[in-house]
Amino acid sequence: EAQVTQNPRYLITVTGKKLTVTCSQNMNHEYMSWYRQDPGLGLRQIYYSMNVEVTDKGDVPEGYKVSRKEKRNFPLILESPSPNQTSLYFCASSLPGGSGQFFGPGTRLTVL
Amino acid sequence: DAKTTQPPSMDCAEGRAANLPCNHSTISGNEYVYWYRQIHSQGPQYIIHGLKNNETNEMASLIITEDRKSSTLILPHATLRDTAVYYCIVRSFSGYSTLTFGKGTMLLVSP
Repeated sequence: EAQVTQNPRYLITVTGKKLTVTCSQNMNHEYMSWYRQDPGLGLRQIYYSMNVEVTDKGDVPEGYKVSRKEKRNFPLILESPSPNQTSLYFCASSLPGGSGQFFGPGTRLTVL
Repeated sequence: DAKTTQPPSMDCAEGRAANLPCNHSTISGNEYVYWYRQIHSQGPQYIIHGLKNNETNEMASLIITEDRKSSTLILPHATLRDTAVYYCIVRSFSGYSTLTFGKGTMLLVSP
């Protein structure tokens, strides 16, 4: 089954404790991206990647890092999480051009 | 990318057609109209996209006006599971341009 998976689905952590949210897709998509969703602010893009070893900032990259060492994986790294990074995070992937993006199920992160 | 305007909410009776409008009066020639939906706190789901011709797939139909300044997403026989926020997005087909999600339309399908 074609899908985007994220782990963990739920995470409660404390300020400053480094964490990684993994994202994996099995559709051989070149393009992958990370979004966060907050009440009243909608979905905002954090980082995206056009292919292996190619990443770029989205609209709200501060406090986040990403890497794309393999085509199927695009982990989101929070080196020193803060409470304002409490949010619902989505990973997405797609083929080049204008095809629709496939989204993962989301990761709900709470930073205390 | 062009901005879009959608009504904040709509109601529809189960089994009836749901017609969701979207205005995109500043759309440019190389921009497509995309529709996504998001069922409460789940990942957004791609529905359909089009340039100027009407499009239909297993989920919905997309009607784009001749001047391309507005469009309508049609769910022909809405079910309770179609209750979701529907997003109309205009973006270029080329490259990897970002999806910019607005506030969308909250569609409530009732029995």
